[in-house]
Amino acid sequence: QSVLTQPPSVSGAPGQRVTISCTGSSSNIGAGYDVNWYLQLPGTAPKLLIYGYTNRPSGVPDRFSGSRSGASASLAITGLQAEDEADYYCQSYDTTLSASVFGGGTKLTVL
Amino acid sequence: EVQLVESGGGLVQPGGSLRLSCTASGFTFRNYDIHWVRQATGKGLEWVSGIGTAGDPYYPGSVKGRFTISRENAKNSLYLQMNNLRAGDRAVYYCARAQSTADGWYFDLWGRGTLVTVSS
Repeated sequence: QSVLTQPPSVSGAPGQRVTISCTGSSSNIGAGYDVNWYLQLPGTAPKLLIYGYTNRPSGVPDRFSGSRSGASASLAITGLQAEDEADYYCQSYDTTLSASVFGGGTKLTVL
Repeated sequence: EVQLVESGGGLVQPGGSLRLSCTASGFTFRNYDIHWVRQATGKGLEWVSGIGTAGDPYYPGSVKGRFTISRENAKNSLYLQMNNLRAGDRAVYYCARAQSTADGWYFDLWGRGTLVTVSS
């Protein structure tokens, strides 16, 4: 069981907007530690998508955005495209575990 | 090209040892914390260890005492010595470059990974 909780799957049609939640606790997200998001295409390494809740690395389209509310964070993807079909992971730091922690991952299906 | 390349994975018996390597290129290796993250087949990502620029290591409880991370800046290399391996350690092991902030760290560059299989 992951310290950060994500829905196992989400789906949406091309052009639609989807959100992926990442729920933590007072020892990680709720404590103010950053949430970062990664995208992983099948058979490839993860790729940084969002860091520090809302920041996009160079080259990441502005269709991807992040937000935080209390002990949770969310990744929003607008204008869904077939190429967005992948696994998405949130990541933060947990002060009780003194460890970097990941969510269990969310599989995005583009219908 | 900015990249990380892992090597050293393979098949090992339960209780055995293995040493993974990660070689960096295209950036100033000594200036960055570098970490290991693993992924069992069909499962999520799990942080395994990290090492700071001063050589200070970090481990989660699940591997503390069994795994040792080290770095050799002159060779732009990171290592992971894994001892007393268990079936649950079977995974693809990625090395990842970390950017440290006041509120944690994130991984902005990943290698392609190396597969470790633990089986008799």
